[in-house]
Amino acid sequence: KAGVTQTPRYLIKTRGQQVTLSCSPISGHRSVSWYQQTPGQGLQFLFEYFSETQRNKGNFPGRFSGRQFSNSRSEMNVSTLELGDSALYLCASSLDAGMSTEAFFGQGTRLTVV
Amino acid sequence: EDQVTQSPEALRLQEGESSSLNCSYTVSGLRGLFWYRQDPGKGPEFLFTLYSAGEEKEKERLKATLTKKESFLHITAPKPEDSATYLCAVQAYGGATNKLIFGTGTLLAVQP
Repeated sequence: KAGVTQTPRYLIKTRGQQVTLSCSPISGHRSVSWYQQTPGQGLQFLFEYFSETQRNKGNFPGRFSGRQFSNSRSEMNVSTLELGDSALYLCASSLDAGMSTEAFFGQGTRLTVV
Repeated sequence: EDQVTQSPEALRLQEGESSSLNCSYTVSGLRGLFWYRQDPGKGPEFLFTLYSAGEEKEKERLKATLTKKESFLHITAPKPEDSATYLCAVQAYGGATNKLIFGTGTLLAVQP
Protein backbone atom coordinates (compact mmCIF):
# COMPACT_ATOMS: atom_id res chain seq x y z
CA LYS A 1 0.00 0.00 0.00
CA ALA A 2 1.52 3.29 -1.07
CA GLY A 3 2.18 5.89 1.59
CA VAL A 4 1.62 9.63 1.54
CA THR A 5 3.26 11.23 -1.49
CA GLN A 6 4.36 14.84 -1.52
CA THR A 7 5.69 16.70 -4.53
CA PRO A 8 8.02 18.31 -5.17
CA ARG A 9 10.58 17.24 -2.54
CA TYR A 10 12.60 20.44 -2.84
CA LEU A 11 11.81 23.97 -3.99
CA ILE A 12 13.76 27.19 -4.15
CA LYS A 13 11.72 30.35 -4.63
CA THR A 14 12.35 34.09 -4.53
CA ARG A 15 10.68 36.48 -2.12
CA GLY A 16 7.36 37.70 -3.47
CA GLN A 17 6.72 34.62 -5.59
CA GLN A 18 4.00 32.09 -4.92
CA VAL A 19 4.27 28.32 -4.61
CA THR A 20 1.96 25.32 -4.79
CA LEU A 21 2.69 22.05 -3.00
CA SER A 22 0.90 18.78 -3.63
CA CYS A 23 -0.06 15.86 -1.43
CA SER A 24 -1.57 12.50 -2.35
CA PRO A 25 -2.88 10.72 0.75
CA ILE A 26 -2.95 7.00 1.43
CA SER A 27 -5.64 5.31 -0.64
CA GLY A 28 -8.96 5.43 1.21
CA HIS A 29 -7.93 8.22 3.57
CA ARG A 30 -10.23 11.22 3.41
CA SER A 31 -8.57 13.62 5.85
CA VAL A 32 -5.48 15.58 4.85
CA SER A 33 -3.66 17.95 7.21
CA TRP A 34 -0.74 20.27 6.51
CA TYR A 35 2.04 21.24 8.93
CA GLN A 36 4.97 23.61 8.79
CA GLN A 37 8.18 22.48 10.49
CA THR A 38 10.97 24.90 11.38
CA PRO A 39 13.91 24.51 13.77
CA GLY A 40 12.58 27.26 16.02
CA GLN A 41 8.86 26.46 16.13
CA GLY A 42 8.72 22.73 15.53
CA LEU A 43 5.64 21.33 13.81
CA GLN A 44 2.83 23.85 13.51
CA PHE A 45 -0.65 22.98 12.23
CA LEU A 46 -1.67 24.87 9.07
CA PHE A 47 -5.06 23.45 8.11
CA GLU A 48 -7.05 20.28 7.61
CA TYR A 49 -9.31 19.17 4.78
CA PHE A 50 -11.96 16.50 4.81
CA SER A 51 -14.23 15.65 1.88
CA GLU A 52 -13.08 18.77 -0.01
CA THR A 53 -13.94 21.08 2.92
CA GLN A 54 -11.58 22.88 5.25
CA ARG A 55 -12.63 21.87 8.74
CA ASN A 56 -9.86 23.37 10.83
CA LYS A 57 -7.29 26.10 10.41
CA GLY A 58 -4.19 27.09 12.37
CA ASN A 59 -2.84 30.54 13.17
CA PHE A 60 -1.19 31.38 9.88
CA PRO A 61 -1.75 34.44 7.69
CA GLY A 62 -4.13 34.37 4.75
CA ARG A 63 -1.18 33.97 2.38
CA PHE A 64 -1.38 30.29 3.24
CA SER A 65 -4.28 28.51 1.62
CA GLY A 66 -5.23 25.05 0.52
CA ARG A 67 -7.80 22.90 -1.14
CA GLN A 68 -8.78 19.28 -1.51
CA PHE A 69 -10.03 17.52 -4.59
CA SER A 70 -12.69 14.84 -4.96
CA ASN A 71 -10.01 12.12 -5.03
CA SER A 72 -8.74 13.42 -1.63
CA ARG A 73 -5.53 14.81 -3.11
CA SER A 74 -4.68 18.16 -1.60
CA GLU A 75 -2.69 21.22 -2.52
CA MET A 76 -1.45 24.10 -0.44
CA ASN A 77 -0.49 27.47 -1.79
CA VAL A 78 1.66 30.19 -0.32
CA SER A 79 1.49 33.59 -1.97
CA THR A 80 3.87 36.52 -1.66
CA LEU A 81 6.62 34.39 -0.17
CA GLU A 82 8.70 35.73 2.69
CA LEU A 83 12.10 34.56 3.91
CA GLY A 84 10.43 33.23 7.06
CA ASP A 85 8.35 30.81 5.00
CA SER A 86 11.43 28.66 4.48
CA ALA A 87 10.54 25.37 6.13
CA LEU A 88 9.72 21.72 5.70
CA TYR A 89 6.05 21.43 4.77
CA LEU A 90 4.50 18.15 5.79
CA CYS A 91 1.26 16.55 4.76
CA ALA A 92 -0.49 13.94 6.91
CA SER A 93 -3.37 11.68 5.95
CA SER A 94 -5.88 10.03 8.24
CA LEU A 95 -8.52 7.40 7.65
CA ASP A 96 -10.88 9.31 9.95
CA ALA A 97 -13.19 6.41 10.75
CA GLY A 98 -14.39 5.66 14.27
CA MET A 99 -11.54 5.54 16.78
CA SER A 100 -8.86 5.36 14.09
CA THR A 101 -7.26 8.78 14.22
CA GLU A 102 -3.64 8.03 13.41
CA ALA A 103 -1.99 10.47 11.04
CA PHE A 104 0.63 9.24 8.58
CA PHE A 105 3.08 11.73 7.18
CA GLY A 106 4.71 12.16 3.82
CA GLN A 107 8.41 12.92 3.35
CA GLY A 108 7.71 16.62 3.09
CA THR A 109 8.56 19.43 0.72
CA ARG A 110 11.62 21.46 1.66
CA LEU A 111 10.91 25.07 0.64
CA THR A 112 13.73 27.58 0.60
CA VAL A 113 12.89 31.24 0.01
CA VAL A 114 15.80 33.43 -1.08
CA GLU B 1 -4.45 26.35 25.87
CA ASP B 2 -3.47 22.85 24.77
CA GLN B 3 0.26 22.30 25.16
CA VAL B 4 2.90 19.57 24.90
CA THR B 5 6.34 19.69 26.53
CA GLN B 6 9.03 17.11 25.86
CA SER B 7 12.16 16.45 27.90
CA PRO B 8 15.03 16.21 27.66
CA GLU B 9 15.69 18.22 24.50
CA ALA B 10 18.62 15.97 23.68
CA LEU B 11 19.85 12.66 25.04
CA ARG B 12 23.04 10.78 24.34
CA LEU B 13 23.17 7.09 25.27
CA GLN B 14 25.65 4.30 24.90
CA GLU B 15 24.46 1.27 23.00
CA GLY B 16 22.57 -0.95 25.44
CA GLU B 17 21.97 1.85 27.96
CA SER B 18 18.21 2.00 28.60
CA SER B 19 16.42 5.30 29.26
CA SER B 20 13.09 7.12 29.04
CA LEU B 21 11.81 10.16 27.21
CA ASN B 22 9.09 12.31 28.78
CA CYS B 23 6.08 14.02 27.24
CA SER B 24 3.96 16.23 29.51
CA TYR B 25 0.69 17.53 28.16
CA THR B 26 -2.10 19.92 28.99
CA VAL B 27 -5.23 19.40 26.97
CA SER B 28 -8.91 20.14 27.51
CA GLY B 29 -9.90 16.60 26.70
CA LEU B 30 -7.44 13.98 25.45
CA ARG B 31 -8.63 12.13 22.37
CA GLY B 32 -5.26 10.49 21.74
CA LEU B 33 -1.52 10.80 22.34
CA PHE B 34 0.85 9.93 19.54
CA TRP B 35 4.54 9.12 19.33
CA TYR B 36 6.50 9.60 16.13
CA ARG B 37 10.10 9.06 15.10
CA GLN B 38 11.69 11.49 12.67
CA ASP B 39 14.98 11.01 10.84
CA PRO B 40 16.82 14.04 9.41
CA GLY B 41 15.20 15.40 6.25
CA LYS B 42 12.29 12.96 6.43
CA GLY B 43 8.68 13.06 7.57
CA PRO B 44 7.64 11.74 10.99
CA GLU B 45 7.12 7.98 11.16
CA PHE B 46 4.16 6.81 13.25
CA LEU B 47 5.05 4.68 16.27
CA PHE B 48 2.18 4.50 18.77
CA THR B 49 -1.23 5.86 19.72
CA LEU B 50 -2.38 5.84 23.35
CA TYR B 51 -5.94 6.71 24.26
CA SER B 52 -6.40 6.32 28.02
CA ALA B 53 -4.41 6.49 31.25
CA GLY B 54 -2.79 3.18 32.09
CA GLU B 55 -2.49 2.10 28.49
CA GLU B 56 0.85 0.69 27.29
CA LYS B 57 2.11 -0.27 23.84
CA GLU B 58 5.32 -1.94 22.72
CA LYS B 59 7.26 -2.23 19.52
CA GLU B 60 10.67 -3.88 19.47
CA ARG B 61 12.85 -1.92 21.92
CA LEU B 62 10.25 0.81 22.47
CA LYS B 63 7.46 0.94 25.03
CA ALA B 64 5.05 3.82 25.45
CA THR B 65 2.99 4.47 28.57
CA LEU B 66 0.33 7.04 29.42
CA THR B 67 -0.90 8.73 32.60
CA LYS B 68 -3.38 11.58 32.96
CA LYS B 69 -0.62 14.18 32.70
CA GLU B 70 2.27 12.61 30.81
CA SER B 71 3.56 9.86 28.60
CA PHE B 72 6.88 8.06 28.64
CA LEU B 73 8.72 6.43 25.79
CA HIS B 74 10.99 3.79 27.27
CA ILE B 75 13.91 2.61 25.16
CA THR B 76 15.38 -0.71 26.22
CA ALA B 77 18.93 -1.65 25.18
CA PRO B 78 19.02 0.91 22.35
CA LYS B 79 21.05 0.45 19.19
CA PRO B 80 22.67 3.13 17.02
CA GLU B 81 19.83 2.79 14.51
CA ASP B 82 17.45 4.09 17.18
CA SER B 83 19.11 7.50 16.85
CA ALA B 84 16.47 10.00 15.70
CA THR B 85 14.21 12.77 16.96
CA TYR B 86 11.21 11.43 18.87
CA LEU B 87 8.09 13.57 18.70
CA CYS B 88 5.06 13.48 20.95
CA ALA B 89 1.71 14.93 19.89
CA VAL B 90 -1.78 15.16 21.35
CA GLN B 91 -5.16 15.29 19.76
CA ALA B 92 -7.95 16.99 21.69
CA TYR B 93 -11.67 16.57 21.68
CA GLY B 94 -13.65 19.48 20.37
CA GLY B 95 -15.13 19.27 16.92
CA ALA B 96 -14.39 16.90 14.11
CA THR B 97 -10.68 17.36 13.53
CA ASN B 98 -7.48 15.35 13.38
CA LYS B 99 -5.35 18.34 14.36
CA LEU B 100 -2.21 17.36 16.25
CA ILE B 101 -0.37 19.56 18.73
CA PHE B 102 3.30 18.64 18.81
CA GLY B 103 6.08 18.97 21.33
CA THR B 104 9.48 20.13 20.13
CA GLY B 105 10.93 16.64 20.30
CA THR B 106 13.81 14.80 21.93
CA LEU B 107 16.93 14.29 19.84
CA LEU B 108 18.32 10.86 20.72
CA ALA B 109 21.86 9.83 19.82
CA VAL B 110 22.94 6.25 20.53
CA GLN B 111 26.65 5.67 20.34
CA PRO B 112 28.16 2.23 19.60
